[in-house]
Amino acid sequence: DAKTTQPPSMDCAEGRAANLPCNHSTISGNEYVYWYRQIHSQGPQYIIHGLKNNETNEMASLIITEDRKSSTLILPHATLRDTAVYYCIVRLKTGANNLFFGTGTRLTVIP
Amino acid sequence: KAGVTQTPRYLIKTRGQQVTLSCSPISGHRSVSWYQQTPGQGLQFLFEYFSETQRNKGNFPGRFSGRQFSNSRSEMNVSTLELGDSALYLCASSLISLGQGADGYTFGSGTRLTVV
Repeated sequence: DAKTTQPPSMDCAEGRAANLPCNHSTISGNEYVYWYRQIHSQGPQYIIHGLKNNETNEMASLIITEDRKSSTLILPHATLRDTAVYYCIVRLKTGANNLFFGTGTRLTVIP
Repeated sequence: KAGVTQTPRYLIKTRGQQVTLSCSPISGHRSVSWYQQTPGQGLQFLFEYFSETQRNKGNFPGRFSGRQFSNSRSEMNVSTLELGDSALYLCASSLISLGQGADGYTFGSGTRLTVV
């Protein structure tokens, strides 16, 4: 149901860029890629979303391949507070607001 | 501005009882969605409310219900509690109108329900 595939876990050294991949090979033309993260015992936090162009905000950058079948979330300078489970979700921007979270990637930032 | 507020933060109930959880969305947000998170099943969508109407429902039994008030606050109710209902229940609100898109949800911190 999630329509995305992510590695279960990744490590990243503090201060380095964290690159989190996501495969969404069955994405349709009007579906967006959304990224959320969940820090332990908190609700998920919206990070960024995009359709086909690369996007950047104060938290992260989102790189979407030209065929839109995969994407990468980039945290440019990972800190210990970025340790969390990161979820990649594809969905229509309009319509029902049900999100399929999948299992996500557990990112551990190492000092 | 205030975030999404969920009450209570923690709750312990006995099998067979019922429970009501509350969610106050961000001011101006009209869409409220509920999710259940368990270690085994992860985050699962329960239902969404918009302008006091349920717009969408996940695959949960009828024991799970909800409602939304005119001020957009929402409650969810679980009747005849089972041990498997022990979970973190999350509420999320978004600034959305029918036909318009949402940039993203804002989630509350959740209510952790333990059924004994």
